[in-house]
Amino acid sequence: AQKITQTQPGMFVQEKEAVTLDCTYDTSDQSYGLFWYKQPSSGEMIFLIYQGSYDEQNATEGRYSLNFQKARKSANLVISASQLGDSAMYFCAMREGRRATGANNLFFGTGTRLTVIP
Amino acid sequence: NAGVMQNPRHLVRRRGQEARLRCSPMKGHSHVYWYRQLPEEGLKFMVYLQKENIIDESGMPKERFSAEFPKEGPSILRIQQVVRGDSAAYFCASSPLPLGPVNEKLFFGSGTQLSVL
Repeated sequence: AQKITQTQPGMFVQEKEAVTLDCTYDTSDQSYGLFWYKQPSSGEMIFLIYQGSYDEQNATEGRYSLNFQKARKSANLVISASQLGDSAMYFCAMREGRRATGANNLFFGTGTRLTVIP
Repeated sequence: NAGVMQNPRHLVRRRGQEARLRCSPMKGHSHVYWYRQLPEEGLKFMVYLQKENIIDESGMPKERFSAEFPKEGPSILRIQQVVRGDSAAYFCASSPLPLGPVNEKLFFGSGTQLSVL
C-alpha cells in the first residue's frame, strides 16, 4: 500500500485565489511527521510546512496552511492568495515513527503540478 | 551559510561507465540522506549515512550502487556500470540530527540530474 497518496496529478488556480492540494497517508504509528515540499522547474526541493502527529493546531507558514485531519489520515495543503511564482510541483511526505532514533526517512507522494493562471 | 551543495548539477554518462555524485552537507550537519527521483515520480529513499557509517541502505539497489560519507570531504554516491534505467535526479539532504520526532528538518540540495545515453 502507498504510504502517501496524492490523487491530483495537476491543478489550476486563478491568481489571488486559494487552492487546496490533497494528501492522504497510511501509517499505523502514533508518532509521525507530515511535510510539504515545493519543487519549481529549476528542480530544487523547498521545504514549505511541517505538521507533527501530536500537534493539535493546524500548522501555518505565511500563505501556507496544513489542514490536518488525523481521523481521516489527510494532510491537505492550502495555499491562499496564489501567486504566479507558486506554479510548481508540490510533494507531500511523511516521516514514520517506527524507529525512535537513527534510520527514519521520508516517504514521498507522486506530487501535484500546480499552475497559477494570471 | 551555504546550503547543501551537490555537484555536478548535470551528469551525462554512457552505458557501462561510472557515475560519481557528490554532496557537501550544510556546515555542522553530520547526517546525510540520498534520494532518487524518477521522471514524474516522487523522491524515493536510497541510503542514510552518518560520518563514516552507513546507517540504513534499505532503499539502495544491491548491485552497482554504493555510498560513502568519509570523515573529511563530501558524501559520494557511486553508480558503477550505469544503465539507462539509472537516469534520474539524485537528491541529497542533510540534517544536524537524525530525522525523527526531535528533529524534523531535512535540508535538500538542488540535485544531480543523471542522464545515461
